[in-house]
Amino acid sequence: DAKTTQPNSMESNEEEPVHLPCNHSTISGTDYIHWYRQLPSQGPEYVIHGLTSNVNNRMASLAIAEDRKSSTLILHRATLRDAAVYYCILRPTDDMRFGAGTRLTVKP
Amino acid sequence: NAGVTQTPKFRVLKTGQSMTLLCAQDMNHEYMYWYRQDPGMGLRLIHYSVGEGTTAKGEVPDGYNVSRLKKQNFLLGLESAAPSQTSVYFCATLSGASSYNEQFFGPGTRLTVL
Repeated sequence: DAKTTQPNSMESNEEEPVHLPCNHSTISGTDYIHWYRQLPSQGPEYVIHGLTSNVNNRMASLAIAEDRKSSTLILHRATLRDAAVYYCILRPTDDMRFGAGTRLTVKP
Repeated sequence: NAGVTQTPKFRVLKTGQSMTLLCAQDMNHEYMYWYRQDPGMGLRLIHYSVGEGTTAKGEVPDGYNVSRLKKQNFLLGLESAAPSQTSVYFCATLSGASSYNEQFFGPGTRLTVL
């Protein structure tokens, strides 16, 4: 199974951009890269996904390396509400496994 | 639309007792999942289902059973609860096998086993 590797934790200052990395060196050509986040005391929520091209939505941007072996979730201006655990997952896989993710702390 | 709902929200059990957690969805999604999350840890997949009448084991299936008799419901059973099963349980759905589909999560059930 294709796996992902993320740093355990990262810190950011409020109003500054945050770049959350994910390594997926065994990704296959048809795997989509998905990102979810989990706010404190809540279930995870979808953030963004992509295949090859960089993607933007109202929550974040996803930058995918040309060889697709890594990707970066970009929060353009971190707010205190963005403090959460961020998970990077590859699809397709029926058994959606999340791993430990990256805990993002945002400092005022 | 309620989305994904979980019943109950909280429960305290004694060791050896049994209980069933209910996950219900009104989005007509094919896939459903049960996860557990221990304090400070990531989510671990217990069991999942890719359609009505099907179930499959995830990462940590021991001590749990599941059933998907109706498409909209996914039940997680604990036959003989143990303190190690104290956790927050999340249910999730996925509309289908397409790689771009996103998961939707319920609010969680906090279970304590004494």
